[in-house]
Amino acid sequence: EVQLLESGGGLVQPGGSLRLSCAASGFTFSNSAMTWVRQAPGKGLEWISSINTNGGDTNYADSVKGRFTISRDNSKNTLYLQMNSLRAEDTAIYYCVKTPYGAPFDYWGQGTLVTVSS
Amino acid sequence: DIQMTQSPSSLSASVGDRVTITCRASQGFSNSLAWFQQKPGKVPQLLIYAASTLQSGVPSRFSGSGSGTDFTLTISSLQPEDVATYYCHKYNHAPRTFGQGTKVEIK
Repeated sequence: EVQLLESGGGLVQPGGSLRLSCAASGFTFSNSAMTWVRQAPGKGLEWISSINTNGGDTNYADSVKGRFTISRDNSKNTLYLQMNSLRAEDTAIYYCVKTPYGAPFDYWGQGTLVTVSS
Repeated sequence: DIQMTQSPSSLSASVGDRVTITCRASQGFSNSLAWFQQKPGKVPQLLIYAASTLQSGVPSRFSGSGSGTDFTLTISSLQPEDVATYYCHKYNHAPRTFGQGTKVEIK
């Protein structure tokens, strides 16, 4: 059974940093691209970043480019999102999503809530 | 980057009604278009992929159509359990953009 378990969310002040983790199991993690998607309270889904299987190719939404860094450790079956210079508008649930090539997202974690507030 | 625009942003319909949601892309692309359903407090669930292919286990009242820049999700007979927000999603390559969502309610 595929499982994606996010952690690392919480309350952080504007300008602060946070690192999210996503522990994957139930599939060959090193063979799958991965993505972070977020959803602000009461708002829609926003794709923010994807990474290929070996970490050599990454993509970011304009809203987070230069502030967020996606990475992965295939030896630990874990996906990361380093978030710096956080803003109030980054407040959201952050989902880790398994990303098949040329196919839609097939598995989602339950999400971790990030709140940026003073 | 290709932008995805959904309409309407919300709708209210009666049980048994036919419901249609439209997704328009700012430029044409392949048929790599999916529709997700998200119920309150839940993660999104895949309904349709490749514009018109029904995901396994999804009721046949859901259907998708379209190509190029214009795509449609249809619920042939709205049921109470269909109350949710629906998102179109472009997945051929990054950025994997979502539409802004359509909230469906029962009248």
